[in-house]
Amino acid sequence: AQKITQTQPGMFVQEKEAVTLDCTYDTSDQSYGLFWYKQPSSGEMIFLIYQGSYDEQNATEGRYSLNFQKARKSANLVISASQLGDSAMYFCAMREGLGNQFYFGTGTSLTVIP
Amino acid sequence: GAGVSQTPSNKVTEKGKYVELRCDPISGHTALYWYRQSLGQGPEFLIYFQGTGAADDSGLPNDRFFAVRPEGSVSTLKIQRTERGDSAVYLCASSLGTSGSSYNEQFFGPGTRLTVL
Repeated sequence: AQKITQTQPGMFVQEKEAVTLDCTYDTSDQSYGLFWYKQPSSGEMIFLIYQGSYDEQNATEGRYSLNFQKARKSANLVISASQLGDSAMYFCAMREGLGNQFYFGTGTSLTVIP
Repeated sequence: GAGVSQTPSNKVTEKGKYVELRCDPISGHTALYWYRQSLGQGPEFLIYFQGTGAADDSGLPNDRFFAVRPEGSVSTLKIQRTERGDSAVYLCASSLGTSGSSYNEQFFGPGTRLTVL
């Protein structure tokens, strides 16, 4: 089974609107961390936001927030007030416990339309 | 401060050749990771170093792949007898190291795009 599933290969959003990128995960560990990364066309992976499995509140970082629904095993990324510079690939990732591996999804390509 | 750097940025080689890809992590980061990203996919874990030792090499696809980090800083990923299927972007990441929580932000380099003809 896939550890991380991103079901939206591509998404479009109007500039200044909000958009939600979906991510579901699969783990039997009680302790895990969930991450979102942005990968522009230049190729570098940029860390956006982190959610720990024991965190009671949803993580927020500026215009990014993580809608964490533990029972559903989902960790959707919400980008508010989209900007043209947000156009990129977005990857959801998970680290189980103190494990060394990050498991990445297949990514969602976001295009912001002016 | 300087981020993770990787050289070369692009490497084109012929099938059967040997290649070396270099990663220079952020100073002070003890943990170093190699990933492979094929077209249209997310990064796939290859190997993890804590200090000088390979703590987890379970992601290396076969014995043609090998990585070293002799002084606990710079790392080299080595691929022998390259095959066309090895063509991908090879990403390196570093972090401060494992801690008592699952939070361990990894900082990624720009990657090396390997093309095997």
